[in-house]
Amino acid sequence: AQSVAQPEDQVNVAEGNPLTVKCTYSVSGNPYLFWYVQYPNRGLQFLLKYITGDNLVKGSYGFEAEFNKSQTSFHLKKPSALVSDSALYFCAVRDGRDDMRFGAGTRLTVKP
Amino acid sequence: DTGVSQNPRHKITKRGQNVTFRCDPISEHNRLYWYRQTLGQGPEFLTYFQNEAQLEKSRLLSDRFSAERPKGSFSTLEIQRTEQGDSAMYLCASSLASGYQETQYFGPGTRLLVL
Repeated sequence: AQSVAQPEDQVNVAEGNPLTVKCTYSVSGNPYLFWYVQYPNRGLQFLLKYITGDNLVKGSYGFEAEFNKSQTSFHLKKPSALVSDSALYFCAVRDGRDDMRFGAGTRLTVKP
Repeated sequence: DTGVSQNPRHKITKRGQNVTFRCDPISEHNRLYWYRQTLGQGPEFLTYFQNEAQLEKSRLLSDRFSAERPKGSFSTLEIQRTEQGDSAMYLCASSLASGYQETQYFGPGTRLLVL
């Protein structure tokens, strides 16, 4: 069965510093991996996805993610964090089954 | 481009009442998904439609829950005889089918509180 884990409930970084939000996954087939962001009382906004090809995927708002097959990871990164990046981030995986499985989320706080 | 819309945004009901939520997908999208999100958790898949056909239902979807997409456009999710455990955010998403790699776009959600 497919699953995804976000090992950190909370990540705190200072504005201007690089940020990483971690995600690991488990699937039986080839993974399709996604990152979404959720602001308070809002739905999820799509950031980026990995389907195949380059392991480094670039997405919206300056975010990128690195797919690592040997470590079964898909960490979200940004070179320079903004206060406005503070939100809840969800990693999700799909492996060819119909439903997408989400992690529990990581709350990112960027302090000025 | 109008995104996915959901109505109502908030619903407070008493235990035992029936509630119905509506989702209007992005117009050209043929797939529509329903998820439930409880506090501190990620969204959990409930069911999805391709056009008007309901293709999969999660075991989370008890027989008190029913979803329809009669004309392949908007969808409704009904919960009968609501229970306090049904309190959650109900999210709708839509996509343009392309295998399993398509991007799902989410609406703002309907927050349900069962008293």
